[in-house]
Amino acid sequence: DADVTQTPRNRITKTGKRIMLECSQTKGHDRMYWYRQDPGLGLRLIYYSFDVKDINKGEISDGYSVSRQAQAKFSLSLESAIPNQTALYFCATSASLEVGNTDTQYFGPGTRLTVL
Amino acid sequence: AQSVTQPDIHITVSEGASLELRCNYSYGATPYLFWYVQSPGQGLQLLLKYFSGDTLVQGIKGFEAEFKRSQSSFNLRKPSVHWSDAAEYFCAVGAYGYSTLTFGKGTMLLVSP
Repeated sequence: DADVTQTPRNRITKTGKRIMLECSQTKGHDRMYWYRQDPGLGLRLIYYSFDVKDINKGEISDGYSVSRQAQAKFSLSLESAIPNQTALYFCATSASLEVGNTDTQYFGPGTRLTVL
Repeated sequence: AQSVTQPDIHITVSEGASLELRCNYSYGATPYLFWYVQSPGQGLQLLLKYFSGDTLVQGIKGFEAEFKRSQSSFNLRKPSVHWSDAAEYFCAVGAYGYSTLTFGKGTMLLVSP
């Protein structure tokens, strides 16, 4: 969905490096999410934010941190990257007040991260 | 806690044949159910969703799904598959106001000539 953008789209980094993945949205949604996708495991929730002052851990938050800089921006950081964090990362958004679409999530194109 | 099972990891269908992808969920209250599709190298696109009302839901690209509470299922169907339907399909479950979705592990659809 062009309304949700992720940068970078691809990144190769080395073990121990700090890396930040960024997500921006122009949909006006208040809720934002970070997922990782691994082959055969589907999507797993890392962190989510219901508004700028609200940050919540998801299923697999260890080794990750997030920052909600504004309603439209939600960044994911790997403080010290390790090889098993190699995955495809997706940002998603949803609107809590969108009538009839309370929980519909809209996804960005993904960031492919490789940790060597 | 909610959970989603997609029993089929891979499915191969001939072009023009009908398709059914299975999804079973576990959730105590009335669920919100979704099907997303991920084409190679792309993000996830919403195909259809069920919140309430008519249990047969129509989506984009000619897909439909039927909510069966008694079977805890939300299977995705298409009467005639096109080669462009080859992709990975994800079922997800949520709830009103809860806003975190639980995804299944996906079913990869291959379309043979």
